[in-house]
Amino acid sequence: TQLLEQSPQFLSIQEGENLTVYCNSSSVFSSLQWYRQEPGEGPVLLVTVVTGGEVKKLKRLTFQFGDARKDSSLHITAAQPGDTGLYLCAGDESSGDKLTFGTGTRLAVRP
Amino acid sequence: KAGVTQTPRYLIKTRGQQVTLSCSPISGHRSVSWYQQTPGQGLQFLFEYFSETQRNKGNFPGRFSGRQFSNSRSEMNVSTLELGDSALYLCASSSYFSGGAAEQFFGPGTRLTVL
Repeated sequence: TQLLEQSPQFLSIQEGENLTVYCNSSSVFSSLQWYRQEPGEGPVLLVTVVTGGEVKKLKRLTFQFGDARKDSSLHITAAQPGDTGLYLCAGDESSGDKLTFGTGTRLAVRP
Repeated sequence: KAGVTQTPRYLIKTRGQQVTLSCSPISGHRSVSWYQQTPGQGLQFLFEYFSETQRNKGNFPGRFSGRQFSNSRSEMNVSTLELGDSALYLCASSSYFSGGAAEQFFGPGTRLTVL
């Protein structure tokens, strides 16, 4: 069974700070996705990366897929209280519909 | 386009009972996946259905089952409920990103509490 380890597990920062969340595995993924989940709701897809070394920017969020397609990072610039939530990475092993989810990073941004 | 809907949103059952949860995918999506989310284990894959056939299955006991109907709506059933089955059950429907990657769109979940 693949395992996607995320770090850190918890993060509490002040509004305006920058942060990076990491997602690591020993397995190779055909694609990797990042989701954000708020309490009582389902995860919401933020981005999908498919090419090793790929970098995608979504406003203040920057996502990177590792060259070997085993790891990924999410960088948030100038965090805002609205960024608060549980961030999940999820890897797709074989272009199918069985995603393996990471352990999650719970982010709290204090105003 | 309407999102993924799940019913009911909340459910309280007692040990030994059974429960059926329902999921309606986004219109046009033919794949539906189910996940269990708990604080201790995180998000774990239960099974995936495509065109009424189970295509993938996670490591859950046979008490967990599902099915998909011709209109792509899906149900999952848990029999002989145990306390450890208390969780948020999430349904996701998929569209395919270019290159074959599946992008999953989640419903709000059903919060099941087993007493």
